[in-house]
Amino acid sequence: SQTIHQWPATLVQPVGSPLSLECTVEGTSNPNLYWYRQAAGRGLQLLFYSVGIGQISSEVPQNLSASRPQDRQFILSSKKLLLSDSGFYLCAWSSPGTSGTQYFGPGTRLLVL
Amino acid sequence: GENVEQHPSTLSVQEGDSAVIKCTYSDSASNYFPWYKQELGKRPQLIIDIRSNVGEKKDQRIAVTLNKTAKHFSLHITETQPEDSAVYFCAASTRGGGADGLTFGKGTHLIIQP
Repeated sequence: SQTIHQWPATLVQPVGSPLSLECTVEGTSNPNLYWYRQAAGRGLQLLFYSVGIGQISSEVPQNLSASRPQDRQFILSSKKLLLSDSGFYLCAWSSPGTSGTQYFGPGTRLLVL
Repeated sequence: GENVEQHPSTLSVQEGDSAVIKCTYSDSASNYFPWYKQELGKRPQLIIDIRSNVGEKKDQRIAVTLNKTAKHFSLHITETQPEDSAVYFCAASTRGGGADGLTFGKGTHLIIQP
């Protein structure tokens, strides 16, 4: 069966520091991968999605970037964090093609101080 | 792009009663509509989904209905139980929910009163 991992689970970072969040998926090949952000008490906002290695589409202009160095690895990065980057970051995957169903990882809770 | 509106933002019902959450979408090309349940501090979990070639889908106490003409879909939970308390999100996507991601509603906080 498929499993999705995210780390770290929680992170406290000062403003202006860099960020790297990692997501990996097991048990499937060539998945579609997604990064979402959820602000406290709010809905989910799609940040990036990827249909394959090195293929990244950005939904929202911001100081974040994403990379997919391997088939089942998705990384979210920032060179300089802002206070507004605080939130719950969720990685998700879906099967390649148009099967549609997305499954979320356990998330990373980021607090920028 | 797609825009999804969800109502109500908070819903309180007595245990055993039914709960209904409604969503509307803007993009007539959307054809995949999942519902997620999120408990406090946890990841969203898919509870049911429906595609645009189907008008209704049921899974035990949960059902979803879709009206493509009116561009709205609803979640129905019958015989509510305390463990149904959570935040529920609707979402919509074109291309069957494939590579282009989901557009979510802002969520409904469902409270089951004992």
